[in-house]
Amino acid sequence: RKEVEQDPGPFNVPEGATVAFNCTYSNSASQSFFWYRQDCRKEPKLLMSVYSSGNEDGRFTAQLNRASQYISLLIRDSKLSDSATYLCVVNRDSGNTPLVFGKGTRLSVIA
Amino acid sequence: DVKVTQSSRYLVKRTGEKVFLECVQDMDHENMFWYRQDPGLGLRLIYFSYDVKMKEKGDIPEGYSVSREKKERFSLILESASTNQTSMYLCASSSYGAGQGVIDTQYFGPGTRLTVL
Repeated sequence: RKEVEQDPGPFNVPEGATVAFNCTYSNSASQSFFWYRQDCRKEPKLLMSVYSSGNEDGRFTAQLNRASQYISLLIRDSKLSDSATYLCVVNRDSGNTPLVFGKGTRLSVIA
Repeated sequence: DVKVTQSSRYLVKRTGEKVFLECVQDMDHENMFWYRQDPGLGLRLIYFSYDVKMKEKGDIPEGYSVSREKKERFSLILESASTNQTSMYLCASSSYGAGQGVIDTQYFGPGTRLTVL
């Protein structure tokens, strides 16, 4: 099983749509969870951390299910500017261990 | 704002050359990382460092070495560049998280696109 798995997409959605990305991770000892966004030919940038209780930042909602080792990202009311690749990121073990990046899910929001 | 800078945005080298990629962060972060990113393969960890003069191998260290003589600077060295090292190289840094030494958010530099001819 790969350490972090994501649907590669692409997801092509109209403006205003709600879109959900899913991610699974293999190590139940992982403690840090993030969603990063990467625009074409740019570096990855933190979108949001993911907390056990779930968290929301404007139109973005992240959920974590430790029992299923599953992370999700929901984007409501999609904007053209949301078009990017979304990377699911998990630390590879407990404690201060490096992050593992999923290969990303590409989103295109269409006018 | 955290700033991670990399010495070059684009670099073209010849096979067999020794290549130095420099990375500097200005946030006093303990942890620094080097990745390469290739289409279809995602981000792969080459080396990382938790402190000055410390280094750890990542997933693909072969053909690379690193140096961390100062806390803010982490260098990636290609001892003898080969065409299969043509890639986007990304440096990142992070501090420790709030609890129990859990790693915190990583901040990336803009990347160096290296072409080896």
